[in-house]
Amino acid sequence: RKEVEQDPGPFNVPEGATVAFNCTYSNSASQSFFWYRQDCRKEPKLLMSVYSSGNEDGRFTAQLNRASQYISLLIRDSKLSDSATYLCVVNPYSSASKIIFGSGTRLSIRP
Amino acid sequence: GAVVSQHPSWVICKSGTSVKIECRSLDFQATTMFWYRQFPKQSLMLMATSNEGSKATYEQGVEKDKFLINHASLTLSTLTVTSAHPEDSSFYICSARDRGGGYTFGSGTRLTVV
Repeated sequence: RKEVEQDPGPFNVPEGATVAFNCTYSNSASQSFFWYRQDCRKEPKLLMSVYSSGNEDGRFTAQLNRASQYISLLIRDSKLSDSATYLCVVNPYSSASKIIFGSGTRLSIRP
Repeated sequence: GAVVSQHPSWVICKSGTSVKIECRSLDFQATTMFWYRQFPKQSLMLMATSNEGSKATYEQGVEKDKFLINHASLTLSTLTVTSAHPEDSSFYICSARDRGGGYTFGSGTRLTVV
């Protein structure tokens, strides 16, 4: 089983739609969770950290479910500029700073 | 915010030659940097963890003699791909943990070996 698993997509949704991605992780002791966005041929950029209580940043909402070992990302009122690959990132080690990337979920927003 | 500068952005080299990629943290000190490789339509795969003043830690399956990592200062880590072959063609990217605890990435180096 992979340490971090994501549905690769692609998700193709119309502008204005709401879309959600899930990501599962295998190590129950994982400490930190993030969502990154990666545009084609560019470096990943932090979209948001994921906190235990869930958190929201504008149109983006992240949730963490420790019992089921998954995190989610919800995008409301999607824009054309949201088209990208969304990477689920987990720090599975309590004493180290190494992070593990999911394979990414491709999102394409159509006009 | 934190910035990690990576050079070169792209490089084309002949098979059998070596290529050095540099990664600098511009406004913070990075005792640890991470080197990743990304093949088309795949995710980033961690190759090694670079530790300032000590040997790098390589992930399973990554040849340490082929991918030489040097982290001689708190702001500079280098990855040298030795005796490059076409199968080494990939997107190489570094990252460092910044003061805020997040991970800042360099802009990546696209290596093509011909």
